[in-house]
Amino acid sequence: NAGVTQTPKFQVLKTGQSMTLQCAQDMNHNSMYWYRQDPGMGLRLIYYSASEGTTDKGEVPNGYNVSRLNKREFSLRLESAAPSQTSVYFCASRGQSKSNQPQHFGDGTRLSIL
Amino acid sequence: QKEVEQDPGPLSVPEGAIVSLNCTYSNSAFQYFMWYRQYSRKGPELLMYTYSSGNKEDGRFTAQVDKSSKYISLFIRDSQPSDSATYLCAMSSIQGAQKLVFGQGTRLTINP
Repeated sequence: NAGVTQTPKFQVLKTGQSMTLQCAQDMNHNSMYWYRQDPGMGLRLIYYSASEGTTDKGEVPNGYNVSRLNKREFSLRLESAAPSQTSVYFCASRGQSKSNQPQHFGDGTRLSIL
Repeated sequence: QKEVEQDPGPLSVPEGAIVSLNCTYSNSAFQYFMWYRQYSRKGPELLMYTYSSGNKEDGRFTAQVDKSSKYISLFIRDSQPSDSATYLCAMSSIQGAQKLVFGQGTRLTINP
């Protein structure tokens, strides 16, 4: 049972390049989330999908887009990467959207933008 | 002012010591409180989860919530070198899709 799987694990981009970060979960969870983690800032929510077919903005959505491809997969896209988007990106998933179940995280994608 | 404040440390204690980690918050709508443990180059792993005031114990770990003071704590008894990690508090309101708000994380080192 893999849980939440993120690809790639590492990536280096040049300013202005585009990229899609992939996330898949095998726990049949309804809700999925994208966070970024920066030193001294904790984790901040970028976008989330409460259920298949819906997406909503979190605390720091500017410069990102998301796609809930199906119940298992939730991707994060950087259309024109900027150095300020250098960060570690985490995907998470959760069971029933209106229950008390906690979020489960993947191991992250480390992204550097030069 | 951040909604959730957590001392980033670092905190270094000898093996076997009792560790106390704390967070304060300002949003009275928060009803669910979590502690995550994060090892280097890994994702956060859920350690404790509570939605009421008082104490919750799980092995060597005790989570404490004081909603009147907007203060939560995590205690680790008989600390081990394997407990060395960053500890993140997180919380959310009772409504919606559980949009978590995290503290900055406290880096903890247990010295053998």
